[in-house]
Amino acid sequence: KQEVTQIPAALSVPEGENLVLNCSFTDSAIYNLQWFRQDPGKGLTSLLLIQSSQREQTSGRLNASLDKSSGRSTLYIAASQPGDSATYLCAVFDNAGNMLTFGGGTRLMVKP
Amino acid sequence: EAQVTQNPRYLITVTGKKLTVTCSQNMNHEYMSWYRQDPGLGLRQIYYSMNVEVTDKGDVPEGYKVSRKEKRNFPLILESPSPNQTSLYFCASSLSAEQGGHQPQHFGDGTRLSIL
Repeated sequence: KQEVTQIPAALSVPEGENLVLNCSFTDSAIYNLQWFRQDPGKGLTSLLLIQSSQREQTSGRLNASLDKSSGRSTLYIAASQPGDSATYLCAVFDNAGNMLTFGGGTRLMVKP
Repeated sequence: EAQVTQNPRYLITVTGKKLTVTCSQNMNHEYMSWYRQDPGLGLRQIYYSMNVEVTDKGDVPEGYKVSRKEKRNFPLILESPSPNQTSLYFCASSLSAEQGGHQPQHFGDGTRLSIL
């Protein structure tokens, strides 16, 4: 059974810092990996999606990498801002593209 | 506007009283799924559907039913709710692998269920 782990569980940084969020998964046979953002009391918003054949994806100040063989992904946030404060979740689809397994999330606080 | 709509957003009910949470999407997505989110346990998949009349169990299907009679709708049914089903529920949809690969999942705003 796929297990997804995110480290750290919580992170507090001053505004302007570059930061890295980590995600690891136990079964490397995945269809894709997705990073989401969740604001308190809200639904999830998709940030980046990396197909299993890709190594990285970029959107604005966000860059996500995928090392499928080692079961790892990182989300890099450049020049963090207070508006980046949220919980960040990674999730992987199984190889058949049927089941989506989430990590426990990293709660990020960016202080002005 | 592309969206996934869940109703109700909030519900307080009592043990054993059947309830249905509706989910509707307007993006012609084949894949739809339900999740529950609990403190300390994160998001867990309850059921998913690859297409009309095609549904399958996720990680925590016990106590839930679903149906997919139309492409746009995927209701979650609790036949006899119990307090351990008190949770925040999310519905999501996306293109399926057969439609060209799972595009990012679109999530609804969530339904907070309290079962007394």
